[in-house]
Amino acid sequence: DAKTTQPTSMDCAEGRAANLPCNHSTISGNEYVYWYRQIHSQGPQYIIHGLKNNETNEMASLIITEDRKSSTLILPHATLRDTAVYYCIVLSQGQLTFGSGTQLTVLP
Amino acid sequence: GAGVSQSPRYKVAKRGQDVALRCDPISGHVSLFWYQQALGQGPEFLTYFQNEAQLDKSGLPSDRFFAERPEGSVSTLKIQRTQQEDSAVYLCASSSSSGSSVYEQYFGPGTRLTVT
Repeated sequence: DAKTTQPTSMDCAEGRAANLPCNHSTISGNEYVYWYRQIHSQGPQYIIHGLKNNETNEMASLIITEDRKSSTLILPHATLRDTAVYYCIVLSQGQLTFGSGTQLTVLP
Repeated sequence: GAGVSQSPRYKVAKRGQDVALRCDPISGHVSLFWYQQALGQGPEFLTYFQNEAQLDKSGLPSDRFFAERPEGSVSTLKIQRTQQEDSAVYLCASSSSSGSSVYEQYFGPGTRLTVT
């Protein structure tokens, strides 16, 4: 199973871009990368996913390196409501395996 | 529109009691998932339904855990003879079943189970 490595925590100033890195060096060619976040005391929320190409939606952008061994989730203008645990997940064996994630704190 | 709802939101059970946790998925979503989240950890997969069929139950930790979705909509997770290690938040998620979008899951708020 492909595993992911994320920093335990990060801070970001309100209004600035938040760049959350994820390493997945053992990813296979057909495995997708998913990002979810979990605000305190709520269920996780789907953000975005991708395979090879960069992806963008109304919430965020996902940049996947050409060798697919790492990716970065970008929140272009972070707000206080973006404070949450962000999970980078490599979809494997038909299951989402959440790790420990990155605690992002957006500071006023 | 209505999201995924779960009930009860909080449940306290004495060790040895049976509990039943309910999940109402988003209307029309054929896929339904149950997860267990211990304090300070990420959610862990328990089981997966497509309509009424339980396609994957590999994450259920013991035979005390049982899930059903008899009519392909509402699902119930039952835990028999609860133990203290069962204390966790139990999350339900649903999704449409269409290729990779089955993993674009919508989560409920969870049921916090405390076993005393």
